[in-house]
Amino acid sequence: ETGVTQTPRHLVMGMTNKKSLKCEQHLGHNAMYWYKQSAKKPLELMFVYSLEERVENNSVPSRFSPECPNSSHLFLHLHTLQPEDSALYLCASSHGTSGETQYFGPGTRLLVL
Amino acid sequence: GQQLNQSPQSMFIQEGEDVSMNCTSSSIFNTWLWYKQDPGEGPVLLIALYKAGELTSNGRLTAQFGITRKDSFLNISASIPSDVGIYFCAGDGPNTGNQFYFGTGTSLTVIP
Repeated sequence: ETGVTQTPRHLVMGMTNKKSLKCEQHLGHNAMYWYKQSAKKPLELMFVYSLEERVENNSVPSRFSPECPNSSHLFLHLHTLQPEDSALYLCASSHGTSGETQYFGPGTRLLVL
Repeated sequence: GQQLNQSPQSMFIQEGEDVSMNCTSSSIFNTWLWYKQDPGEGPVLLIALYKAGELTSNGRLTAQFGITRKDSFLNISASIPSDVGIYFCAGDGPNTGNQFYFGTGTSLTVIP
């Protein structure tokens, strides 16, 4: 069993749809992250949660809405996305947020039409 | 802002050859991480470095935390076809605000 799981693995949605990405970590970590990975660009940090509280929000558009109900689960709610939002969305977790090694899930490949 | 330069961008090598790639940052780091990402998957941690000068191995992989704390190197010895993938460096330090910055990746192709 992998430490960090993500569902769905693939998602196609229209610009008017609402969908949610789910991440679950089985490592007993206290911090969770959402990253966006686009072709030819470095991983972009979107959100950081530590002990279920958001500690970092890197100027992400409001059409992306995170939710962290407990330290094991993280969601990314999507609504009225744009085609340029198509990317691989990666979830990661770590023990803490101060230089702690992050472990990644397999990602959700999102295509916005 | 923070910049992390990774090179080379891509490599095409013969099976059995050694590989070397590196990352440099514009400021000092406290931690360097090296990940490998296969197509359609998330990055998998290969090696973590926490101390300047540290040299750490993981099988055929060896990584070093540069003494200046602004660079790191990853070497792969005797490459095999399953080494194919994209290798990313990541680092954090006093100027990164509790977040890791990632390199743009080195795409490795191993020719059997």
